[in-house]
This record gives sequence, structure tokens and C-alpha cells, in this order.
Amino acid sequence: DAKTTQPPSMDCAEGRAANLPCNHSTISGNEYVYWYRQIHSQGPQYIIHGLKNNETNEMASLIITEDRKSSTLILPHATLRDTAVYYCIVRVGTSNTGKLIFGQGTTLQVKP
Amino acid sequence: ETGVTQSPTHLIKTRGQQVTLRCSSQSGHNTVSWYQQALGQGPQFIFQYYREEENGRGNFPPRFSGLQFPNYSSELNVNALELDDSALYLCASSSATATKDQDGYTFGSGTRVTVV
Repeated sequence: DAKTTQPPSMDCAEGRAANLPCNHSTISGNEYVYWYRQIHSQGPQYIIHGLKNNETNEMASLIITEDRKSSTLILPHATLRDTAVYYCIVRVGTSNTGKLIFGQGTTLQVKP
Repeated sequence: ETGVTQSPTHLIKTRGQQVTLRCSSQSGHNTVSWYQQALGQGPQFIFQYYREEENGRGNFPPRFSGLQFPNYSSELNVNALELDDSALYLCASSSATATKDQDGYTFGSGTRVTVV
């Protein structure tokens, strides 16, 4: 059932951009890509999502390749508080009743 | 606007016992999904409830069951607990009738279940 593949861990210097890659080569045409993060085993926190086009909000940018087989989450200016596990997720099903298929996540360590 | 509230925050059960976990959905949300997160793993979809009926199920046995109430809150019940059921159980609410496909899913902080 796994839909996404992520590197297990990454480091980033504080103030620099963090670029987190994700492969989802088996994604179907109507399945969205979501990114959530989780800190200290709290509930996952929404970051951003998209279907085909690149997306940007106040937290991050999402770059999706034209063939939709991979994407990159960009945190433009990482801070120590961005240290967390980042999950790349495929939503299977329609609208907000679909189920989220989580990958194993990338542990991002932001260093001073 | 309140978020998703889960109770209790943690509990310890003996193998073979039964457990009931509760979730209050975010205001305006009418769909509730439950996820199991084992230590060091990503969350796994258990099932979803919409209009008080199960609306999709993951690869979990029938001893995992649930309910949704008219106020959209939900319960997750696990019977005959096994050691492997030890995990963080997460509830996520969403709106099936949202006119804009926004963030969609709001997660609670979870209930940590330890089976001994």
C-alpha cells in the first residue's frame, strides 16, 4: 500500500532553505500529495498539499514534477522549531473523505 | 474554532482487554478518520466514519471497530488487545462537504495505548 518514498533523515542549517524530496511514482491522476509534520509524537500538523501545480503558502512551497512522480517540500528559511518528522502523503479517494497513505517520513534536524 | 480533541491521552491495558478511545471533531467537520502509529512508523489508516457509517477501512481486523455520533464525534474500540496494538492512535477530522479543498484534515494529539 506504500505510495511514497522519502530519505530517513536530513540536516539543515538554521536560516537556510530545507528541501525535502519525495518519490511517489505510482500515484494516480486524481490523487493529491500532502505534506504534514509531526513533533515529539504530537498529532501531525498540516503543511501544504497539491495535485499538479506548484503551491506556496505561509509555511512552505511544494514543487511537483510534471510527470507527478516526485515532489519537493521547501521550507524557505528553516528555524530550530522546524525540527520534526516530515511526512509525504498520498490521498487516495475523493475530496476530504479520502484516506491518507503515509510514508516512513524524513526526520529533519535543523542545526544552529 | 476548536480543534480535534482526543481522550484519554494515554492508558495501559493488559493483553486480552478491551479499550475505547474518543475523539471530538473540529467544528464544521463531519468526517472522522482513525490512524494507528506504531513507534518509529508513519500512521496507518484504520477506518473512516461519515454520516455515522463506516466509509472505508484499512487492513485491520474486525476487532477494531468504531462509531460516529450525530454530533460527529467518534469512538474507536479495540477488543482482545494484543501486544502489537501498542501504539499512538490518532483521530483526524475533515469536511466531506467542503466547497474548497483546503487543508482538509485536522489531527488530534492522539491517545497512547500500551498493552502489557
